[in-house]
Amino acid sequence: DAGVIQSPRHEVTEMGQEVTLRCKPISGHNSLFWYRQTMMRGLELLIYFNNNVPIDDSGMPEDRFSAKMPNASFSTLKIQPSEPRDSAVYFCASSGVGGANYGYTFGSGTRLTVV
Amino acid sequence: GENVEQHPSTLSVQEGDSAVIKCTYSDSASNYFPWYKQELGKRPQLIIDIRSNVGEKKDQRIAVTLNKTAKHFSLHITETQPEDSAVYFCAASYFNKFYFGSGTKLNVKP
Repeated sequence: DAGVIQSPRHEVTEMGQEVTLRCKPISGHNSLFWYRQTMMRGLELLIYFNNNVPIDDSGMPEDRFSAKMPNASFSTLKIQPSEPRDSAVYFCASSGVGGANYGYTFGSGTRLTVV
Repeated sequence: GENVEQHPSTLSVQEGDSAVIKCTYSDSASNYFPWYKQELGKRPQLIIDIRSNVGEKKDQRIAVTLNKTAKHFSLHITETQPEDSAVYFCAASYFNKFYFGSGTKLNVKP
């Protein structure tokens, strides 16, 4: 199993540009989570999906952020327009049957820098 | 929602000593408590977890204890080694979401 796969690993973009982060969960896992990690705020849950359906997006900071999960093997997190304060490491994680009450497996993360 | 507090924020120990990291949570409905280790520049990785119907769990040099009444849980690492140096996060699962503590940076000095 290749684990949770995220792309790109690093992204540098200019303020105002659109950024799309991608995630492929572990095959068979039915819950997917997007987290943002910064020194100041730690690990913040942005949104999570169960069986491809968004269950809770209360952590999405504002309308500039959107996430989709068109099928069980792919999810995107989009920021449009991006701002310097969006700079962070974005992690995707998935878990199997039982949702989050089993450990998450995290992807390697996307380090986003907005200049 | 849930609120997880973690202490200390940094911990420095000598190789071979024990390390203890403590977390408290606010909502008695939380029923699953994982611990993650994150090395510099890498992903958080699950190292041990405990459910609310268990008071203690051990895996080699790592153990976790849970006190449901007091709403706190702790990670114990014995015989620390330099490769244990990392940031450790606790979490509490509440309604299918993990709430993470702020992390403890553990430094094991050789």
